Amino acid sequence: DADVTQTPRNRITKTGKRIMLECSQTKGHDRMYWYRQDPGLGLRLIYYSFDVKDINKGEISDGYSVSRQAQAKFSLSLESAIPNQTALYFCATSDFTFGTSGSSYNEQFFGPGTRLTVL
Amino acid sequence: GEDVEQSLFLSVREGDSSVINCTYTDSSSTYLYWYKQEPGAGLQLLTYIFSNMDMKQDQRLTVLLNKKDKHLSLRIADTQTGDSAIYFCAETLPPGYSTLTFGKGTMLLVSP
Repeated sequence: DADVTQTPRNRITKTGKRIMLECSQTKGHDRMYWYRQDPGLGLRLIYYSFDVKDINKGEISDGYSVSRQAQAKFSLSLESAIPNQTALYFCATSDFTFGTSGSSYNEQFFGPGTRLTVL
Repeated sequence: GEDVEQSLFLSVREGDSSVINCTYTDSSSTYLYWYKQEPGAGLQLLTYIFSNMDMKQDQRLTVLLNKKDKHLSLRIADTQTGDSAIYFCAETLPPGYSTLTFGKGTMLLVSP
């Protein structure tokens, strides 16, 4: 079974609808992230969470909200979807690992992605 | 904000070497990473290098780091068609070095 799962894998919705994307992980990691990928723009961080009580905005949080229901679950919501939120969305997890000289080594493990189309 | 820059596309023939380049902007970066995204899949860590190193070799992969020029490269020897993918350079930044900043990705196409 996959360590990081995302549901749904594909979703088509209409402008103004509320959408929730879900992410679950069995890796036991505390840290979870939501990214969106657009062609030619790479990955951009939407929100991240370092534990159940911690939520942080990323580079492009406007129009999105998140909920960390448990260590293993991190959901992304689009309260009122708009066409420019059409993208591929990825969830990722990581553990906190001290590397050389005390800095943090940050290997992230990605889910398979959710392709969202807003009409 | 900080930007990680990569060329968007590279085409090579099977058996040739591929070199994917990246420039980053923050000299405080500690770890620098290469992630690989195969078609229809999420990203997967390919290799990484700590900033006090100049080079790291792992089988067919060689990572070179030039801190003075803030330049990172990934060389793939004997490139195979299965290496066709998007390759992302990423860095961790202060404070906390807690999140990754990704480049836009380089699509590598390997032809037989």
